Amino acid sequence: SQTIHQWPATLVQPVGSPLSLECTVEGTSNPNLYWYRQAAGRGLQLLFYSVGIGQISSEVPQNLSASRPQDRQFILSSKKLLLSDSGFYLCAWNRDPNSPLHFGNGTRLTVT
Amino acid sequence: AQSVSQHNHHVILSEAASLELGCNYSYGGTVNLFWYVQYPGQHLQLLLKYFSGDPLVKGIKGFEAEFIKSKFSFNLRKPSVQWSDTAEYFCAVNPSGSARQLTFGSGTQLTVLP
Repeated sequence: SQTIHQWPATLVQPVGSPLSLECTVEGTSNPNLYWYRQAAGRGLQLLFYSVGIGQISSEVPQNLSASRPQDRQFILSSKKLLLSDSGFYLCAWNRDPNSPLHFGNGTRLTVT
Repeated sequence: AQSVSQHNHHVILSEAASLELGCNYSYGGTVNLFWYVQYPGQHLQLLLKYFSGDPLVKGIKGFEAEFIKSKFSFNLRKPSVQWSDTAEYFCAVNPSGSARQLTFGSGTQLTVLP
């Protein structure tokens, strides 16, 4: 069966520090991969989307970037965190555009 | 771009009460519709989905949703809620074949009192 792993679960970082959140999927190949940010009372906002290695689409301009160095690995990064980057970040995958998403457990990021 | 509205931000019910959570979307073409649920301390998971066919969709744990195309609605229902249904519920919509355009509603927190 397929599983999705996301880490760390929680992270506290100072303003200006770098960020790296990792997500890996097991049990499937060539998944579509997504990074979402979940804000209280505002639902989920798609940040990045990838259909394959090295293929990243950015949905909103921001201080973050994403990379997909391997087929089942998706990384969310920042060179210098801002206070506004605080939030709950979710990784997700699906097989094709008409399949439901499968979510990871999320990372609670607090920038101080 | 499409949008999704969930009218109730927080719903409080007693056990055995009936539930209906509203979801309306704006998009003129063919859509896929979803309800996701996030139980306390757990990850977001699929509750039910509609792609085509019978507009009344049955999901896990006794939930169902009805797609009414003329009203652009996909309301979630359950005849009798349980304490274990306490969770946050998200409606989501995407144009058919375009998961990257999946748009989520702002969520409804359901609290069921024992």
